[in-house]
Amino acid sequence: KAGVTQTPRYLIKTRGQQVTLSCSPISGHRSVSWYQQTPGQGLQFLFEYFSETQRNKGNFPGRFSGRQFSNSRSEMNVSTLELGDSALYLCASSLYPGSSGNTIYFGEGSWLTVV
Amino acid sequence: GEDVEQSLFLSVREGDSSVINCTYTDSSSTYLYWYKQEPGAGLQLLTYIFSNMDMKQDQRLTVLLNKKDKHLSLRIADTQTGDSAIYFCAETWGEKLTFGTGTRLTIIP
Repeated sequence: KAGVTQTPRYLIKTRGQQVTLSCSPISGHRSVSWYQQTPGQGLQFLFEYFSETQRNKGNFPGRFSGRQFSNSRSEMNVSTLELGDSALYLCASSLYPGSSGNTIYFGEGSWLTVV
Repeated sequence: GEDVEQSLFLSVREGDSSVINCTYTDSSSTYLYWYKQEPGAGLQLLTYIFSNMDMKQDQRLTVLLNKKDKHLSLRIADTQTGDSAIYFCAETWGEKLTFGTGTRLTIIP
């Protein structure tokens, strides 16, 4: 069974541009969450989607957005990129939302560098 | 609060046991997780424990949970060079995971 797949793995963008990251969860999983990992702030929750609905959102500006499709695949978008958005963006997949107590698997992440 | 605390560094001789500690905050957390991150990689789920358990063993890994003290530990028996990585504990907090700062485990040959 394939794991969580994230694309692209690496990308470089310029300040002011926007970026879209994609995540395909494990087959059968309906919950997708996104996390940002930076050396300074560690792992921080961005948002969670279940059945195409955003159920929870972390403390990030409105430039960060996401969506989930009917096949459970998810995308996140960051507009008007800033240098501080450089990070590893991790997608997590589970059968149900985290509070339901089920195993949560992560992808390899998308490394974003903003120059 | 949402602070999950871990020591930043741990060095262990190859073949010894490693014990990584974590203090979490939310007594209502249902599941507590341990993840491993190798350089340049994502998070690999190592193991998890339900909050009504106090111990879970899985091959070389043993998780101990002291719910009264909100203390979680991960013991790796017979530590190998391939165990070098950063280890994160995480608790469920609402609909999300709250992570510790991570413990960098270094193996001394």
